[in-house]
Amino acid sequence: DQQVKQNSPSLSVQEGRISILNCDYTNSMFDYFLWYKKYPAEGPTFLISISSIKDKNEDGRFTVFLNKSAKHLSLHIVPSQPGDSAVYFCAASGGTDTGNQFYFGTGTSLTVIP
Amino acid sequence: DADVTQTPRNRITKTGKRIMLECSQTKGHDRMYWYRQDPGLGLRLIYYSFDVKDINKGEISDGYSVSRQAQAKFSLSLESAIPNQTALYFCATSDPSGLAGVAGELFFGEGSRLTVL
Repeated sequence: DQQVKQNSPSLSVQEGRISILNCDYTNSMFDYFLWYKKYPAEGPTFLISISSIKDKNEDGRFTVFLNKSAKHLSLHIVPSQPGDSAVYFCAASGGTDTGNQFYFGTGTSLTVIP
Repeated sequence: DADVTQTPRNRITKTGKRIMLECSQTKGHDRMYWYRQDPGLGLRLIYYSFDVKDINKGEISDGYSVSRQAQAKFSLSLESAIPNQTALYFCATSDPSGLAGVAGELFFGEGSRLTVL
């Protein structure tokens, strides 16, 4: 059973506009969340993270929002650039409460149109 | 050079063959992982190891085995490959202390694409 879900397989956005990628989770023991970015023929690379004690974390053009009551997080990219075109995975962990494992979503393929 | 190196990068094999995917890292991390990526299913954990003497099954360990030969080396074996093991396999490491970056961040290799005919 998928504990981390990304319900949008793909997203297209115009350059300069905002990209919003969504992620939902079911396990209330998750307390640490990460976003990874993956280009073709490369491994995923870390983008940004947030712990459950926060509801927002910002790093340059990237902001992650966490809504614990809704078990939902989102990644905002502003402004979107063509180089942001990639597959984005969200991941969650509950530390020892979830076996120290990371659970990944199915990914959202973002295309930023110049 | 990559911090997490996987070999081979691409492999085509036949059903029933034994296959080994190797992973080595220069990051000095104790924790190592094997994931597989399938279209529409994301990244799923096969096995993980928190030190040389610690091996744990992940979500989808059936049909796979692993060996942690040293802190820097973690290999994944398919004893008798089958077509539904065709996938992109990733090795990853992590440093839970966060001293080398974000606590819990996974560092991935470039992937090994395996095709089982």
